[in-house]
Amino acid sequence: TQLLEQSPQFLSIQEGENLTVYCNSSSVFSSLQWYRQEPGEGPVLLVTVVTGGEVKKLKRLTFQFGDARKDSSLHITAAQPGDTGLYLCADPGGGADGLTFGKGTHLIIQP
Amino acid sequence: DSGVTQTPKHLITATGQRVTLRCSPRSGDLSVYWYQQSLDQGLQFLIQYYNGEERAKGNILERFSAQQFPDLHSELNLSSLELGDSALYFCASSQVYNSPLHFGNGTRLTVT
Repeated sequence: TQLLEQSPQFLSIQEGENLTVYCNSSSVFSSLQWYRQEPGEGPVLLVTVVTGGEVKKLKRLTFQFGDARKDSSLHITAAQPGDTGLYLCADPGGGADGLTFGKGTHLIIQP
Repeated sequence: DSGVTQTPKHLITATGQRVTLRCSPRSGDLSVYWYQQSLDQGLQFLIQYYNGEERAKGNILERFSAQQFPDLHSELNLSSLELGDSALYFCASSQVYNSPLHFGNGTRLTVT
C-alpha cells in the first residue's frame, strides 16, 4: 500500500479560471482513480487511468497519467461553481485492500 | 444515486456507548467496504467483505467489528466509543475486488 500525496490541499479560485491539481507517489501505480466528493455525499468516481502517458477527457476535466505511472494530474478548464468539492485520487493497489486514498484537494469555485 | 444505502444518516451518542451502522450495497455487488473519514486523516480503509467473508482489514480498531449477512447487507459495530471516533463512516460496494467503488452518503457519528 503506497502513500498518495495530493496538492494543493486547498484551492479557491474565481469562476472561469483554469486549475490543475496533482496526485503523486514514490511508487508506481498499477492504475489510478479520481473521485469527487460533494458536501454531505460520498465520493463519486470520475475516471480511471491505466496506461502511462494516458490522457482522458471528461467535458472540461482533463486527466493525465504520468509516463512513469507515479503521478497524475487533473486539469479543469473554465471552472464553474458546480466543480466545487473534494477531489480524491485513489490507488486500487492489489485489489484486496480496498482503495488507498490521498487526502484530497478541497476546491472552491467562487461565482 | 449510487444505489448504496446507509442508515442512519446522523448519530449522536455518548462516550462508552455502542452503535451499529448499516449498509445495503448496490444490487448485484458482492463486495462491501467500510471507510472512516475525518478532516485530519482523510478516508481510511477499515474493512472489506466479499460475499459474506472478511476479505481484508485496514486500520480498524479492536473496538470496531463488522459483518456481512447472507442478503449481502453489512453492519459496522463500534463499541466503547471515544470522542476521537467522531467521523463520517462510509460504506461502498463493488462487483468484484478491483472494480470501482460506489459509495453511500455516509453516517455522521458524533460522540459527546
